[in-house]
Amino acid sequence: KAGVTQTPRYLIKTRGQQVTLSCSPISGHRSVSWYQQTPGQGLQFLFEYFSETQRNKGNFPGRFSGRQFSNSRSEMNVSTLELGDSALYLCASSLVGGFAGELFFGEGSRLTVL
Amino acid sequence: DQQVKQNSPSLSVQEGRISILNCDYTNSMFDYFLWYKKYPAEGPTFLISISSIKDKNEDGRFTVFLNKSAKHLSLHIVPSQPGDSAVYFCAASPGSRLTFGEGTQLTVNP
Repeated sequence: KAGVTQTPRYLIKTRGQQVTLSCSPISGHRSVSWYQQTPGQGLQFLFEYFSETQRNKGNFPGRFSGRQFSNSRSEMNVSTLELGDSALYLCASSLVGGFAGELFFGEGSRLTVL
Repeated sequence: DQQVKQNSPSLSVQEGRISILNCDYTNSMFDYFLWYKKYPAEGPTFLISISSIKDKNEDGRFTVFLNKSAKHLSLHIVPSQPGDSAVYFCAASPGSRLTFGEGTQLTVNP
């Protein structure tokens, strides 16, 4: 059974640009969550999608957005990139969400903003 | 406001000894706690969890203890093995939104 797949794995952008990251959950999983990992900050919750609806949102500015498609695949977008957006962005999937239980994480997309 | 804190950024132990990783939380609404392990260049993997109705959960070499009155949980690894060397994150929730600590780098020396 394939795990959570994130693309691209690495990317470099410059300030002011925008970026789109993609996440394919484990087959059959309907909940997708996004987390940002930066040094010293641990993992911070961005948002969770379930059945194409955003069910929960963290404390990030509106430049961070996401969506989920009917096949449960999810994308997140960051507009007007800032240097502080450099981080590892992790996607996690679970069967139905709504209960922490066991989240399955992808390997992440490492974004560097110059 | 860091609601979940891991005060030790690193821990080094000898192979075969016990590793104890600690985590403190402030939000009394948290009712479920998890530990994740993360190797470099990989996503976190689930290790063990505990519900707030319990004070201990054991899975092989891994045991998690929860002290609700102190808002403290700990992960014990006995015996520690070199392959356990990784970053360990504690996380807490109600619901599907996890709040993570900053992580503790565990190094198990042969």
